[in-house]
Amino acid sequence: GDSVTQMEGPVTLSEEAFLTINCTYTATGYPSLFWYVQYPGEGLQLLLKATKADDKGSNKGFEATYRKETTSFHLEKGSVQVSDSAVYFCALNTGGFKTIFGAGTRLFVKA
Amino acid sequence: GAVVSQHPSRVICKSGTSVKIECRSLDFQATTMFWYRQFPKQSLMLMATSNEGSKATYEQGVEKDKFLINHASLTLSTLTVTSAHPEDSSFYICSARAGTGDFRNEQFFGPGTRLTVL
Repeated sequence: GDSVTQMEGPVTLSEEAFLTINCTYTATGYPSLFWYVQYPGEGLQLLLKATKADDKGSNKGFEATYRKETTSFHLEKGSVQVSDSAVYFCALNTGGFKTIFGAGTRLFVKA
Repeated sequence: GAVVSQHPSRVICKSGTSVKIECRSLDFQATTMFWYRQFPKQSLMLMATSNEGSKATYEQGVEKDKFLINHASLTLSTLTVTSAHPEDSSFYICSARAGTGDFRNEQFFGPGTRLTVL
C-alpha cells in the first residue's frame, strides 16, 4: 500500500543553520505530496505542496521538490529560526481521499 | 477561505461519560470529512471517513460503536466518544475535503480537540 517514510527526529539545529528533512514515498499512481507543520498544542497547518513531478512547493522560506525518479520530497530551508521549532509531517494524497502521513520529525532550533 | 473549525478545543470528562466533538467547514461545502487521532509525539492515525448523508467508513481496529460519527450536513460532522475511558485520551483532528469550488479535492485540517478522560 501507499506509505510515507521520513527521517527520525528529533533534529536539533542552531539558528541560521541549514535544514533538510528527508521524505520518501511509495504510491501507486501519481500522488500529490505535502508538508504539514504542527506547532505545540495545535493542529496541522499546510506548509507547502506539489502536485506533479518536478514541481517545487515553497512557503515561508521552506522548499521541497517532487522527485518522481527518486520518489522523494525532501524539505529544506536555508536559515532556520527559533520560531521554526515544530513537528513536520510529510504526506501524500491520491485522488483527494485518504491522506497518508509520515511519522513526523520534531525540529528544535536553538538561539 | 477554506477554514475548518473544531469545538471544543479542549475537554476534560469523567470516565464513563460521552463526549461530542464538532467539526465545521466554515466557508466551503465538505463532501467528505475525516477523523484522525494523534497520540503524544506520534503521527496522525486515520479513524474514519464520512460522506455527507451516509454512514462513516471506519479503519481497521477502530470501534464504530465507541466512536460514533455523524455527517449530517455539508458543513458539519460530529465525533462522539461514547463511555469514554482514560485510554481514549488523545488529540482528535478532523479534516474536510471540498467537493466543489476553488479548493475542490483539497483537504483542510481543523485545529484539533484535546480530550482528557479522568
